[in-house]
Amino acid sequence: SQQGEEDPQALSIQEGENATMNCSYKTSINNLQWYRQNSGRGLVHLILIRSNEREKHSGRLRVTLDTSKKSSSLLITASRAADTASYFCAVLSGGTSYGKLTFGQGTILTVHP
Amino acid sequence: EPEVTQTPSHQVTQMGQEVILRCVPISNHLYFYWYRQILGQKVEFLVSFYNNEISEKSEIFDDQFSVERPDGSNFTLKIRSTKLEDSAMYFCASKVADTQYFGPGTRLTVL
Repeated sequence: SQQGEEDPQALSIQEGENATMNCSYKTSINNLQWYRQNSGRGLVHLILIRSNEREKHSGRLRVTLDTSKKSSSLLITASRAADTASYFCAVLSGGTSYGKLTFGQGTILTVHP
Repeated sequence: EPEVTQTPSHQVTQMGQEVILRCVPISNHLYFYWYRQILGQKVEFLVSFYNNEISEKSEIFDDQFSVERPDGSNFTLKIRSTKLEDSAMYFCASKVADTQYFGPGTRLTVL
């Protein structure tokens, strides 16, 4: 089954606007994490939200989780050109402590100066 | 701030050759992972490693792949006989608590 599917696939906005990306998944999860990837580079961890949490903030990032709808959203407020990157959600599921992450296809965010 | 490091950043090899990708996880982490990302596709889990043994592996991680922690700091991924379809970005990650921290990746190109 597919896990962590993001939409939109691509998002283009002006600097200063907010960017919202959504993620859906199919099975029960332990937590859901968002990562950023600049073109051709590594994955940078942004934020983690546990299955018993509904909302979490970190700086300009706000993540929500709705386990009844099996969905999450990442909001970046007051976007900057430097936020241009691909954003991935990744779900941790299963009962093991070493847990593998299952990634979505990602949303390509372009912020125009 | 501690980081996961990977070497080399780019590896070019001929089909059928063996490659070893190297990673230095964050020093107090106990769980280690390899993932790969074929160009334009999702990041895919390959293998997890804990207490000097494989915890879980994916279908991709067949007999051509192996992992090792040869000393207290390095974590390696070996591909015994590379195929064209092994061309991808390979990411190492290490974990403390729930968060996996990823290295910058090794781009493997198989010709």
